[in-house]
Amino acid sequence: NAGVTQTPKFQVLKTGQSMTLQCAQDMNHNSMYWYRQDPGMGLRLIYYSASEGTTDKGEVPNGYNVSRLNKREFSLRLESAAPSQTSVYFCASINSGNSYEQYFGPGTRLTVT
Amino acid sequence: DAKTTQPPSMDCAEGRAANLPCNHSTISGNEYVYWYRQIHSQGPQYIIHGLKNNETNEMASLIITEDRKSSTLILPHATLRDTAVYYCIVRLYTGANSKLTFGKGITLSVRP
Repeated sequence: NAGVTQTPKFQVLKTGQSMTLQCAQDMNHNSMYWYRQDPGMGLRLIYYSASEGTTDKGEVPNGYNVSRLNKREFSLRLESAAPSQTSVYFCASINSGNSYEQYFGPGTRLTVT
Repeated sequence: DAKTTQPPSMDCAEGRAANLPCNHSTISGNEYVYWYRQIHSQGPQYIIHGLKNNETNEMASLIITEDRKSSTLILPHATLRDTAVYYCIVRLYTGANSKLTFGKGITLSVRP
C-alpha cells in the first residue's frame, strides 16, 4: 500500500493564480482531511470529508474549495492564490469506523509570490 | 475538544528515557489522549492513545494520571531518530468530525 499520496510535492504560484492539490489514499478509508502548517506552528484543519459525497469546513476554510471525487481522492483548490496561503499542506485519512489513527501524506510545499 | 498544554522544548541523552509531559485539565470523560509526532516537516505520525489506563506499544508508553488532567509520553530508550515535534491531542474516540486539533507541540532534541 502506498498509504496517502499527495501531488505535487512543491509548487510556486504568483498571486492570483489558481491550482489544485491532489490527494489519494489506498486504504479504503471513509474520511479525509486537508491541513495547513505555517512555519513554527501546528497543523490547522482547512476542510474535511466524513464520507464520499460530503465535505465540511474546518478551522481555516477561507480561500479554499474541496472536492471528494470518490472514496480514494480528495482535492484542495486555491481559486486565487494569495501570499498568506504560503504554507505546507497535508492531506490525511482515517477509517472513521475505527478512528484512532489518522494517516498523513508527505505534504505539498506551496509558495505564493 | 479539550485544550492541551505542553512545554515548548526539551532534550535528553541518546539511550535514556524521554518523558514528555502534557496537561489537559479540561478533558471530558469520553475524550481520549492521543500522541502524534512530526519528524523534520514530514506528515505527522500516530504514536499511541489512551483513555484512562496506561498504554504501551512498540514505540512508547502513555501514563495518564488518575484524575486524567495530565499525561506523560515515555520513549524508553531515545535515539537520534526520535528528534521531532511531539503533539499531545485530546479528542473523542470516534467519528469523522471529531477532528484532531494540533497545538505547537513539544520539540524533543535527542543529543548523542
